[in-house]
Amino acid sequence: GAGVSQSPRYKVTKRGQDVALRCDPISGHVSLYWYRQALGQGPEFLTYFNYEAQQDKSGLPNDRFSAERPEGSISTLTIQRTEQRDSAMYRCASSQGGGSPLHFGNGTRLTVT
Amino acid sequence: AQTVTQSQPEMSVQEAETVTLSCTYDTSESNYYLFWYKQPPSRQMILVIRQEAYKQQNATENRFSVNFQKAAKSFSLKISDSQLGDTAMYFCAFMRALTGANSKLTFGKGITLSVRP
Repeated sequence: GAGVSQSPRYKVTKRGQDVALRCDPISGHVSLYWYRQALGQGPEFLTYFNYEAQQDKSGLPNDRFSAERPEGSISTLTIQRTEQRDSAMYRCASSQGGGSPLHFGNGTRLTVT
Repeated sequence: AQTVTQSQPEMSVQEAETVTLSCTYDTSESNYYLFWYKQPPSRQMILVIRQEAYKQQNATENRFSVNFQKAAKSFSLKISDSQLGDTAMYFCAFMRALTGANSKLTFGKGITLSVRP
């Protein structure tokens, strides 16, 4: 596609429910990143993949958060048993690798009520 | 672990003037990449400029240029002839170099720039 696509754009869920956020990277990009961003703050790193391999998941806040990229393309970030503190903008980005810049999607705005 | 520091939370500049945004970073790596991203009120993340640490020449992109001081671990962004559309949050970011693949991109906390008409 022309850019990084994230779905849904907005997600409202009740506390305790599971949510799955989807990211479709730019075709051919080997690296895929997940960030979380609060209003007025910088993006907070969650995890990233090179191809299908998860290279670093040190930013995942706790074991309720997980991510996968099984075929090295589309990725899913899953949050189990959501809590109100999980409310944020979740951004995905992709890159060709080799130090090339990240291209960001428009994000998924998650609200946990 | 690498850290990126943007110590100025907010800045303001008159339209058509020049402004410099500061960024420092801490790393023990010798080869890495530095970036500036812009986030306007629409909240898109837009790449402004990229610098490779092994290149001594400062990167430029039209009205945007950097002052990269490797020894001082400083990477400031200069915006010349500021325009109203430059109003945004600006984030400095660091990525260490890996052969063939990418590594983690670490962001600073950002600076809010307002361009006054």
